[in-house]
Amino acid sequence: EVQLVESGGGLVQPGGSLTLSCVASGFSLSGHWMHWVRQVPGQGLVWVARINIDGSIRTHADPVKGRFSISRDNAKNTLYLQMNSLRVEDTAVYHCVRDCPGSCLDLWGQGLLVTVSA
Amino acid sequence: QSVLTQPPSLSAAPGQKVTIFCSGSSSNIGTFYVSWYRQFPGTVPQLLIHENYKRASGIPDRFSASKSATSATLGITGLQTGDEADYYCGTWDDSLSTLVFGGGTKLIVL
Repeated sequence: EVQLVESGGGLVQPGGSLTLSCVASGFSLSGHWMHWVRQVPGQGLVWVARINIDGSIRTHADPVKGRFSISRDNAKNTLYLQMNSLRVEDTAVYHCVRDCPGSCLDLWGQGLLVTVSA
Repeated sequence: QSVLTQPPSLSAAPGQKVTIFCSGSSSNIGTFYVSWYRQFPGTVPQLLIHENYKRASGIPDRFSASKSATSATLGITGLQTGDEADYYCGTWDDSLSTLVFGGGTKLIVL
């Protein structure tokens, strides 16, 4: 089955760090740009970051720039999001998402809840 | 405040047609392809439309979309209660260098 499975979410204190992982199965991650998108429950979709096929191009949204870092290990078929200096406003469900031609997002992981709270 | 503007909610009766509008600018919709997503409560977003008007795999032809200048529309005909969901438009924005979404439209079929 073609799917993305995330792990690593949870509760963390403000200022803390967390690393999210996303393993692709049923397809090769190496053929796709990949994204992280977050969503506060009950609110809209917010794009976080994207990475190109070989990891040489990485773009992050302004609210997370300098704190979050997207990366990938194609040999492990895995995408990562390293999150540092976490803030309360980073609390959300984080989705790993596969890119399709035309900047669309065609395969979504089930999502990981990250809660930043003291 | 989302970069792309959508109506927060729309309602229509079963069997009717509804159109969801998405308004942007020259740096996003005016330049790049638009995608549409559907999200049922408690589930993951699903791609409906890519490259302005192309239906994703498995999406019935009751769903259609178009783009004109800096706006895009998603149309749904023969509305069913199962179409109740949140609908989002999305595209790339060259000025912000980010993927941007509309705020979402909650479709109510009553």
